[in-house]
Amino acid sequence: AQKVTQAQTEISVVEKEDVTLDCVYETRDTTYYLFWYKQPPSGELVFLIRRNSFDEQNEISGRYSWNFQKSTSSFNFTITASQVVDSAVYFCALSEAGYSTLTFGKGTMLLVSP
Amino acid sequence: NAGVTQTPKFRVLKTGQSMTLLCAQDMNHEYMYWYRQDPGMGLRLIHYSVGEGTTAKGEVPDGYNVSRLKKQNFLLGLESAAPSQTSVYFCASSRVLRGTEAFFGQGTRLTVV
Repeated sequence: AQKVTQAQTEISVVEKEDVTLDCVYETRDTTYYLFWYKQPPSGELVFLIRRNSFDEQNEISGRYSWNFQKSTSSFNFTITASQVVDSAVYFCALSEAGYSTLTFGKGTMLLVSP
Repeated sequence: NAGVTQTPKFRVLKTGQSMTLLCAQDMNHEYMYWYRQDPGMGLRLIHYSVGEGTTAKGEVPDGYNVSRLKKQNFLLGLESAAPSQTSVYFCASSRVLRGTEAFFGQGTRLTVV
C-alpha cells in the first residue's frame, strides 16, 4: 500500500530564511508520481510540481527547489529566502500506476513571520 | 475559466439530514474525485470516477454515495449525516494521462450538528 509521511507538522521561520519541507513515501510500484500542493489560508489547493519515478533530476523554479532521491524514498521541498506569502500548508502526494488517485501526506504548516 | 466548481461553499446540517454536494468541471476531464480534509489528517479519498457512469470507492467511502451521470458533474451524497462527517470536502478532476496533476475546487465546509 502506498503511504506518504510528512513528519514536520508545523515549521516557523523568519522572513528570508531558507526552509526545507520533508516528504518520505512508500510504494511497491516501480512507476509512480510525486506531487507537491500548496494550501494558502484562503483554502484552495494549488499544484506546485509533479515528478515521475524515472526522473531523479532536481528541479528549481524561482525560490522553490525540489530534491528527489529514490535511494531514501524522499521528495523534499526547499524554499529559499522565504516570504510571508509562503505561509501555507504544504502537502506532498503520491500516485501509483492506475487511475491517478492521490495519496496525501498529512501536510506541513509553514509560518513565515516578518 | 471556471475549472472545478463546488456547490455549496458552506453548509450546516442536523444529524440525520441528507444533502448532496455538486462538483462541476469544464475542462473535459475523464477522472473526478471527492476528498475530505480533516485537521491533522491531510486529504483522504472518499470516492472517485474514471468516466461517465462509473464510480469506485476510495479510502473512506462509508456514509457517502456518489453519481457521475454526466461527464462534467460528480455528485457526493450524504444520506444520513453524522457529526463525524463534519469536514471540508474537495472535489478534483484530472485528465486520463497517468500521473497528471489533479485540479481542485474551492472546497465545501460542512458542519453536522
